[in-house]
Amino acid sequence: DSGVTQTPKHLITATGQRVTLRCSPRSGDLSVYWYQQSLDQGLQFLIQYYNGEERAKGNILERFSAQQFPDLHSELNLSSLELGDSALYFCASSVGRGRIDTQYFGPGTRLTVL
Amino acid sequence: AQSVTQLDSQVPVFEEAPVELRCNYSSSVSVYLFWYVQYPNQGLQLLLKYLSGSTLVESINGFEAEFNKSQTSFHLRKPSVHISDTAEYFCAAGSTGNTPLVFGKGTRLSVIA
Repeated sequence: DSGVTQTPKHLITATGQRVTLRCSPRSGDLSVYWYQQSLDQGLQFLIQYYNGEERAKGNILERFSAQQFPDLHSELNLSSLELGDSALYFCASSVGRGRIDTQYFGPGTRLTVL
Repeated sequence: AQSVTQLDSQVPVFEEAPVELRCNYSSSVSVYLFWYVQYPNQGLQLLLKYLSGSTLVESINGFEAEFNKSQTSFHLRKPSVHISDTAEYFCAAGSTGNTPLVFGKGTRLSVIA
């Protein structure tokens, strides 16, 4: 158990809909990262927050947005969903903001868009 | 931009045989290298990492990786694998600044009894 929790575990929805994925980092960790894992694209970095502020941005679509709240939990919002958004979404956390920090991954949320 | 290549998508190997999972990265300037492992139905977890110093790094469960700057490689090896090593292994590279950690596409290691 990494100490990172993600809800829900599974999500099935229809095209055009909007969903929110939630992540609680390990106690004491200030950074939260979001990744998308799919068979064709592999593991893609989406976005990082550090202590409430956006720190780094990766291949995140404009239809996707995220935020980190004062209690450090984070939410990833996916809107106008398309079939291609079906994937496993991971949240990870680390104590610091840097690239050398070990990232602790949650168990993931499997999103299926029908 | 940094890129990471894992040359083998799947590696089947018999139990107690040695294994090498290959990883190459694109830039050798101030690079930090990681191997993460993903067991079935779980998230990724750190296996080992190279930040600086000795080019050979080891994990607690018998894996080791060697940083080779001239060949821009960070191959993962284990002299004798167990069934429990069956998993997907991801190589990742990071550098200084705000650039995100870049992951390879993963290598699925299947250990056969």
